[in-house]
Amino acid sequence: QKEVEQNSGPLSVPEGAIASLNCTYSDRGSQSFFWYRQYSGKSPELIMFIYSNGDKEDGRFTAQLNKASQYVSLLIRDSQPSDSATYLCAVNMGGGYSTLTFGKGTMLLVSP
Amino acid sequence: GAVVSQHPSRVICKSGTSVKIECRSLDFQATTMFWYRQFPKQSLMLMATSNEGSKATYEQGVEKDKFLINHASLTLSTLTVTSAHPEDSSFYICSARDLRDPMNTQYFGPGTRLTVL
Repeated sequence: QKEVEQNSGPLSVPEGAIASLNCTYSDRGSQSFFWYRQYSGKSPELIMFIYSNGDKEDGRFTAQLNKASQYVSLLIRDSQPSDSATYLCAVNMGGGYSTLTFGKGTMLLVSP
Repeated sequence: GAVVSQHPSRVICKSGTSVKIECRSLDFQATTMFWYRQFPKQSLMLMATSNEGSKATYEQGVEKDKFLINHASLTLSTLTVTSAHPEDSSFYICSARDLRDPMNTQYFGPGTRLTVL
């Protein structure tokens, strides 16, 4: 059974700090990896995706992928109170499978 | 780009009635759309995968006769909750995958909050 694991949190960081969110997955054949942000009462919105080992940066966000260790992480630099949300990690197997397997999400709280 | 809309955003209905929710991809074609349900403070739960022109694939435990899905075009999928009951009250969210995207990125609609009285 495909699994995606995330620490539920909450992860509390002060404003301006770096928030580090981690995710591990069980299917070694997984090919694409996504981070979504979900504010309370809203639907998920895509933040970043990553396909290759290494780092991918987009503004204050950096996604890191290590396929050998089967983990993917999201770093948020200069965290803002508006970043307070639940962050969902999602994984796709590829190979014709279109579904994403979601983790349960990590709640991030950024305090002013 | 990659905008998905849902209608209605909120609906309140009486027990026993049916409710239809529409999901549209506005600026891309989606051969595959997904329907999720989320109860308060819980995780997203995939209900079904909807493929254009074919029958939906339902997840285990989801009643296909209660949650009717139709994906008649490359930009529209509908979910009908038939004979709704209070326990069906939830946040229903659709997502869509661009047929040109080999990595299967899903873009979510804003969701529909259903309250059954």
